[in-house]
Amino acid sequence: NAGVTQTPKFQVLKTGQSMTLQCAQDMNHEYMSWYRQDPGMGLRLIHYSVGAGITDQGEVPNGYNVSRSTTEDFPLRLLSAAPSQTSVYFCASSPQNRGHLLEKLFFGSGTQLSVL
Amino acid sequence: GESVGLHLPTLSVQEGDNSIINCAYSNSASDYFIWYKQESGKGPQFIIDIRSNMDKRQGQRVTVLLNKTVKHLSLQIAATQPGDSAVYFCAETPPFGGTSYGKLTFGQGTILTVHP
Repeated sequence: NAGVTQTPKFQVLKTGQSMTLQCAQDMNHEYMSWYRQDPGMGLRLIHYSVGAGITDQGEVPNGYNVSRSTTEDFPLRLLSAAPSQTSVYFCASSPQNRGHLLEKLFFGSGTQLSVL
Repeated sequence: GESVGLHLPTLSVQEGDNSIINCAYSNSASDYFIWYKQESGKGPQFIIDIRSNMDKRQGQRVTVLLNKTVKHLSLQIAATQPGDSAVYFCAETPPFGGTSYGKLTFGQGTILTVHP
């Protein structure tokens, strides 16, 4: 049981490049989410999904796209990378279904992204 | 908008002392609160949670207290150990059925340093 797996662990991009951060979980969790963490700040929600085929915006969604075609995977796409997107990105999942209370999140180990 | 904040950004204690980390929340409708621990280079790890119908919950060496009257949450760590050194975050979740369902909000974080 691997839990929440994020790839890559580190990435350097040039301004304007696009890329996808991968997130996969093997716990059959319905709820998945993406956060970014900047120095001295807490985690800010980018996008989340309460089940396959359903996504919604969080606090800071601009510049990011997500899709949820399967329960296991929740990739985060940067459309045109900007220096302001330099951050550590965390994917998290929760065993809660739609219609149930959201509970504790299980986090991946993070992706350190630098945009030059 | 609603926010979750922390009173003390840093806390230094001696090994064996008890630690108290505080958190203020502003969304009176939040019904679930969680404490996370984040060690350097890792994703946040669940410590303990509490629902709004409780005012105290105990775990192994940790206790969470909830005061809904003043919208205050605290994490108490008994007999603090060097391995407890980390950043601690509180988080709140809105109630099911509201427009903010699924949007977990994190506080800024408190750095706990335990000196041997």
